[in-house]
Amino acid sequence: DQQVKQNSPSLSVQEGRISILNCDYTNSMFDYFLWYKKYPAEGPTFLISISSIKDKNEDGRFTVFLNKSAKHLSLHIVPSQPGDSAVYFCAASGDGGNNRKLIWGLGTSLAVNP
Amino acid sequence: DAGVIQSPRHEVTEMGQEVTLRCKPISGHNSLFWYRQTMMRGLELLIYFNNNVPIDDSGMPEDRFSAKMPNASFSTLKIQPSEPRDSAVYFCASSGLHSRNSPLHFGNGTRLTVT
Repeated sequence: DQQVKQNSPSLSVQEGRISILNCDYTNSMFDYFLWYKKYPAEGPTFLISISSIKDKNEDGRFTVFLNKSAKHLSLHIVPSQPGDSAVYFCAASGDGGNNRKLIWGLGTSLAVNP
Repeated sequence: DAGVIQSPRHEVTEMGQEVTLRCKPISGHNSLFWYRQTMMRGLELLIYFNNNVPIDDSGMPEDRFSAKMPNASFSTLKIQPSEPRDSAVYFCASSGLHSRNSPLHFGNGTRLTVT
């Protein structure tokens, strides 16, 4: 039972355009969300996060939007660059008990074409 | 600045053998995590330590799995005996603060294949 769902296994975007990666969650107790990026043969690296008290957080080309009522968040990359081609994971925490336990989506593979 | 270092990068072993995965966290980080990644289940937390003490091992699948952190700069994950279903990529991660808002720094993983 996936509590964090990334329904698009892959996404292809043209260089310079916007990439939008989506993530849905089912547990209303989640109150902190993170995005990680992963290149092949490497571990995930932290990209950006958002607390549930906010609906938007921006860092350079990366913006995360949170819609709590819809239990949905999205990562926007503008403009997309070929180096952004990677697998992006959405993760959530705050379901009580173990605060350090992140629940992860299965990832979306982004391909940015030159 | 050295990141999280895992060894070996690849491990191929036969069913029934003991497997030991190793991790050196980033110096100064006091939380260490072991994750397993599979295609079907994605990233799953197996166990995490804070200040070398296991805090939550509820993700450890079976008694065949054990993890230790004898000091702040070294941790092991052991599987004994190994089974084909243990084949996965195992990641170690560390973080500097015992806060859920503190990002994790991952190693490059150990790809384990059990035949």
